[in-house]
Amino acid sequence: GDSVTQMEGPVTLSEEAFLTINCTYTATGYPSLFWYVQYPGEGLQLLLKATKADDKGSNKGFEATYRKETTSFHLEKGSVQVSDSAVYFCARNSGNTPLVFGKGTRLSVIA
Amino acid sequence: GAGVSQSPSNKVTEKGKDVELRCDPISGHTALYWYRQSLGQGLEFLIYFQGNSAPDKSGLPSDRFSAERTGGSVSTLTIQRTQQEDSAVYLCASSLAGQGNNSPLHFGNGTRLTVT
Repeated sequence: GDSVTQMEGPVTLSEEAFLTINCTYTATGYPSLFWYVQYPGEGLQLLLKATKADDKGSNKGFEATYRKETTSFHLEKGSVQVSDSAVYFCARNSGNTPLVFGKGTRLSVIA
Repeated sequence: GAGVSQSPSNKVTEKGKDVELRCDPISGHTALYWYRQSLGQGLEFLIYFQGNSAPDKSGLPSDRFSAERTGGSVSTLTIQRTQQEDSAVYLCASSLAGQGNNSPLHFGNGTRLTVT
């Protein structure tokens, strides 16, 4: 069935470091791809999305490009801040199917 | 405006008891979802309501789990005869349109259920 695999955490980075969180998805159909973020004490919220191949989603300095050839949607940020500390979830859906999430990656950014 | 509201925020119950978890979606959102988040696991889909259509119950793990949505708004997730493996954070989300429209999901803060 549909699935999403993302790198296991936790990830700990110093402030201003470069961030990559890998995400790959099963290639069934033509999915839309999402990154959701869960800040401490808050509910999950949409960070960015891409709905077709080669689209780039971006928000708050984060970017992810829909790569059909590698079935990937890696999350990147050039310079992380302490306020980026959160759990990040990659997700996909296709047609009328429920959103399928990865297991989440916890990011801790230290000053 | 108000977001998705879930209650209670924490629930501790004894094995074998029934529990009810409540979700108030964002006003005007036609789609409502329940997910479960267990330690070390991703978000596991449980059930989906869209308007007046029959719900998609394909993710419910057993017949001890049921959910209803009254008047197209508030939803209640019921777990009967709780087991320790039911311990998890139960998340509710709503969206403006259905699954095929890529509308973003708006999540509540969840109910943390602990079965002792």
